[in-house]
Amino acid sequence: TQLLEQSPQFLSIQEGENLTVYCNSSSVFSSLQWYRQEPGEGPVLLVTVVTGGEVKKLKRLTFQFGDARKDSSLHITAAQPGDTGLYLCAGCAPNNAGNMLTFGGGTRLMVKP
Amino acid sequence: DTGVSQDPRHKITKRGQNVTFRCDPISEHNRLYWYRQTLGQGPEFLTYFQNEAQLEKSRLLSDRFSAERPKGSFSTLEIQRTEQGDSAMYLCASSLAYRGSNQPQHFGDGTRLSIL
Repeated sequence: TQLLEQSPQFLSIQEGENLTVYCNSSSVFSSLQWYRQEPGEGPVLLVTVVTGGEVKKLKRLTFQFGDARKDSSLHITAAQPGDTGLYLCAGCAPNNAGNMLTFGGGTRLMVKP
Repeated sequence: DTGVSQDPRHKITKRGQNVTFRCDPISEHNRLYWYRQTLGQGPEFLTYFQNEAQLEKSRLLSDRFSAERPKGSFSTLEIQRTEQGDSAMYLCASSLAYRGSNQPQHFGDGTRLSIL
C-alpha cells in the first residue's frame, strides 16, 4: 500500500509570511497532484508534476517533485488570507492503469490578515 | 462550463436506512471515480468506472456498498443498512483517458452523509 504523509497538519501564519508544505512517501509515484479544498466543496486541482526534479510555478505558489519521485513540496510566498484552505497532495502509483489517486492527510492552512 | 455535479449535497438519515447518491460527470469524460473523505482526512479511493464498466473496487467498499454507471454517463452509489461509520463526504470525480494518457481528475462538491 502506498502512503503519502503530509506535514505539517496545521499551519497558522500571518499575511505576508512564507510557508512550505511537505508531502513524503517511501514509494515512487508516476505523477503527483496538489489540490486545494475549501469547506463544503470538492478538491480543486492546482498542479500536476510528473518528472523527477520538476519545478512548477503558479503565481506565488511553487511546486517541486523530488528527484526520486517519492516526495513533493509546495511553497507559498507572501501568503494572503485567500490562500486559506486545505492543501492535499495526491499520487498515482506506477503501472496504475486506472489512475486511482492516493491522497495525503492534508495540511490545513490559515492565513490571518 | 458544467463541472461534476453531485446530488444531494447533504443527506441525513437514521442508522439502518438505505441511501443513494448520484454523480453527473463532465460530459465527455469516460472515467468516473468515487472517493470517501472523513473529517480532517484526505479522500480515499472507493471505486472507478471506465464508461459503464466498473474496473476497480477498494477493500473499503464493503458489500453494503454498490455503484453503477449503467449507460456510461451518470453514476449512482448506494449504501444499504447504513452504519454510523458511513458518515463522511462522498466525492465523485471524472476524467478523460485516451490512448494511454490520463488527464487530471475533476471533483464535484460531494454529498455529505450524516448517520443519526
